[in-house]
Amino acid sequence: AQTVTQSQPEMSVQEAETVTLSCTYDTSESNYYLFWYKQPPSRQMILVIRQEAYKQQNATENRFSVNFQKAAKSFSLKISDSQLGDTAMYFCAFMKPPMNYGGSQGNLIFGKGTKLSVKP
Amino acid sequence: GAVVSQHPSRVICKSGTSVKIECRSLDFQATTMFWYRQFPKQSLMLMATSNEGSKATYEQGVEKDKFLINHASLTLSTLTVTSAHPEDSSFYICSARHLNTEAFFGQGTRLTVV
Repeated sequence: AQTVTQSQPEMSVQEAETVTLSCTYDTSESNYYLFWYKQPPSRQMILVIRQEAYKQQNATENRFSVNFQKAAKSFSLKISDSQLGDTAMYFCAFMKPPMNYGGSQGNLIFGKGTKLSVKP
Repeated sequence: GAVVSQHPSRVICKSGTSVKIECRSLDFQATTMFWYRQFPKQSLMLMATSNEGSKATYEQGVEKDKFLINHASLTLSTLTVTSAHPEDSSFYICSARHLNTEAFFGQGTRLTVV
């Protein structure tokens, strides 16, 4: 079974600085997806960034980038130029690609989350 | 991204009654929908996976007779909490996916059983 571990329950960063959230996972699969989701106080889950395991290039989305180390099964999120609106819970998630229509494949397996506070 | 609408956002019900939560995909056909439960300050736990027109697949430990899931159309799935008790109070979130694309989340429903 796949597991996702986020070892930092809480982190804080000053506005405009850079912070890195860590995530490790365990799987025997070779093809999979990894995600970072943000959950602000509204509790709406927002996709921040995704990474396909077969891609060696690290994904980036504006101020958000990942360091994907497949051999080490590590998938960290770097937030540059942190903003007050980045304050939220951040969840790392693993997904086996759905093989076909049906079954439980394609569901997300979440880590326990990291609470990030951006301070002015 | 695609829009998933979940209603109601908050509901309070009396112990012993049933409550229905709806999850709709507004601009795409959701071949698969997922229902999660989230306790305060905890992560999302998958309860069940439903595919349109077939029975839901429940995760181990989830009572299928208590948490009834229906996915009768490609745009609507419902979760009914039957004979609700205070321990069923929680935050319930749905997500919807079309074929092998990524899943999109609803806004969640805060259920309080009094």
